[in-house]
Amino acid sequence: EIVLTQSPSTLSLSPGERATLSCRASQRVTSSALAWYQQKPGQAPRLLIYGASSRAAGAPDRFSGSGSGTDFTLTISRLEPEDSAVYFCQQFGGSPLTFGGGTKVEI
Amino acid sequence: QVQLQESGPGLVKPSETLSLTCSVSDGSITTYYWNWIRQSPGKALEWIGYVHHSGRASYNPSLTNRVTMSVDTPKNQFSLRLTSLTAADTAVYYCARWGEVTGIKAFDMWGQGTIVTVSS
Repeated sequence: EIVLTQSPSTLSLSPGERATLSCRASQRVTSSALAWYQQKPGQAPRLLIYGASSRAAGAPDRFSGSGSGTDFTLTISRLEPEDSAVYFCQQFGGSPLTFGGGTKVEI
Repeated sequence: QVQLQESGPGLVKPSETLSLTCSVSDGSITTYYWNWIRQSPGKALEWIGYVHHSGRASYNPSLTNRVTMSVDTPKNQFSLRLTSLTAADTAVYYCARWGEVTGIKAFDMWGQGTIVTVSS
C-alpha cells in the first residue's frame, strides 16, 4: 500500500499570502495518478487538481499543483478567506487507492 | 450537472449489516465507475471500493471480506453492503464518481455523505 504523508498538518496564514502544501508518497506515483481535494466543514470533498497539475472545472486559478515521483505540492498563490479548509492528496497508482491525512489551512 | 445522493440507516447495531444506496440523478450509471469512500470522525478518507454496471468490482483489501457492491441500472442506483459491523465502522459514508471516462482520473463528483453510527 502506498502511504501518502501530508505536511504540515496545520498551516496558519493571512489573506493574500502564499500557501504551500506537501504530499509525500512512500513509493513512486505516476503524475497522472495524483489528485488534490478541498474539504470544508460539514461538506464532501471537492476535486481541485487531477493528474498532479490539471485544474478541475470550477477550481480558481490561484490553485496549482506540481511535483513528480514521490513529492507533490499544492500551492495556493494568494489566500482568500474562503480557502479555509482541509486539503487531501490521493493516489491510485498503487492498490489500494489511498488518501493522505490532510493539511488544515487556517486563514 | 449530475447529483449523487446517499440513503440508508443512520444507526446500526454491532455485528449487523449496513446497506447504503446512492442515487445518480442522470442516466450516466452505465458510463462511469462508482465508488464508496468513508471518513471516520476527525480522520482521513478511506476508499472502500468501486463497482461498474458490468458487474466488475474492486474492494479495499482491508475490507474485502465484508464488502459487496452492486449496480441497479434501471433505478440509476448503486449500493454498498458491509457486514459484521463494529464501532470502527462508524463514519460518514460518501458515494463518488470516478471521472476517467471524461479524462479526469479522480473523484469528480461526490454525494453529500451520510452519517452511519454503529452502536447498540
